[in-house]
Formats: sequence, C-alpha cells, structure tokens
Amino acid sequence: EDQVTQSPEALRLQEGESSSLNCSYTVSGLRGLFWYRQDPGKGPEFLFTLYSAGEEKEKERLKATLTKKESFLHITAPKPEDSATYLCAVQAGYGQNFVFGPGTRLSVLP
Amino acid sequence: DGGITQSPKYLFRKEGQNVTLSCEQNLNHDAMYWYRQDPGQGLRLIYYSQIVNDFQKGDIAEGYSVSREKKESFPLTVTSAQKNPTAFYLCASSIPTGGTPLHFGNGTRLTVT
Repeated sequence: EDQVTQSPEALRLQEGESSSLNCSYTVSGLRGLFWYRQDPGKGPEFLFTLYSAGEEKEKERLKATLTKKESFLHITAPKPEDSATYLCAVQAGYGQNFVFGPGTRLSVLP
Repeated sequence: DGGITQSPKYLFRKEGQNVTLSCEQNLNHDAMYWYRQDPGQGLRLIYYSQIVNDFQKGDIAEGYSVSREKKESFPLTVTSAQKNPTAFYLCASSIPTGGTPLHFGNGTRLTVT
C-alpha cells in the first residue's frame, strides 16, 4: 500500500532560523512527488514537483530535494509569512490517485 | 485568471439533510477531484472524474455522490447516509497525465449538527 508520512508534525522557528521538513514515502512506481503550502481555511497551493532521485527545485527561501525514499523541504532564513502547513503528496502507479501526508505545521516567530 | 471556485465557503446543515457543494474550474482541465480534509489526517479522495459523464469512487465514497455533466463543473452531494459529514471539502483539477500536479480551490467547510 502506498504511504506518505511527514515529520515533524509541528515546527516552531525563530525568524532567520533555517530548518528542514521531511516527507517519507513508500510507493510502487513513483510518477511524481509534490509539495504544497496550505494557509488556514484555504486550499493547498502548489509549490514543487519532483520526479526522480537527486532532483532539486528552488523557489525563494524554499528548496525541495528527493531521494528514493524521502523528500526534504529546506527553508532558509524563514520569515513569519512562511508560516503555514506544508503538505507532501505522491502519485504512483497508473491511476490518477494522489496519496497525501498529514502535513507539517510550521510557525515562524518574529 | 484561471482557477477553481468552490462555493459556499461555509455551509451549515441539520442532520438528515442532503447538501450539494459547488466546484467550477476555468483551467480547461479534464480531470476533477473531491477530497476531504480532517485535522491530523492527509487529504482523502472521495470521487474523481477524468472526463465528462464518467467518474470513479475514491477511498471514502460512501455517503457521497457526484455528477460531471460539464467539463467545468463537478458538484458533490453529501447525503444523509454519510455518518460523519462535518469536514473541510476540497475540489481539485488537473491535466490527467502522470506527474502533473493538482490545483485546488479554497474549500468549503461543512458543519452538520
């Protein structure tokens, strides 16, 4: 069964304090790993797609990396506006199903 | 701007009543999805549709129904048979090609008392 776990469940950082969020997955035939940002009461906002081990994507203070078993979302010098829940999802096999992790709730304090 | 519109944002219903959540997209995407989000859990798939007049059950379809009469629209009905309907409901769309991301609306929060 395809599974996605995320850690930590919640993370509090001081402004400027860099850290990483983890997404571990077990799937058969990865077609893509996706990172989303979700603000309270809103829908998830797409950030990155990663397709194969070794791939990296960057956007502003965020950098996503992928290995064969996990993905990391590195946040460099975060700002309070980076506070959100970050979701990881995988698409595997030949169907249209996406499997989502429970998310990491990030709080960045000024 | 292209996007997905869900309405209403908040919905309150009494137990035993059916309720329909609206989802409209102007992204020209063929595939549309309904997910349910509960605290501490990953998004769970209710139904998805890859083409007009066709849809498939997801992992938690019991107590829900959908229709796909137009490419742009994918309404979800929460029936009285759904035992725990209070949740945040998210509609999404995508190009139905492997490895392309989902694009989400801003959700409908349904409260049933």
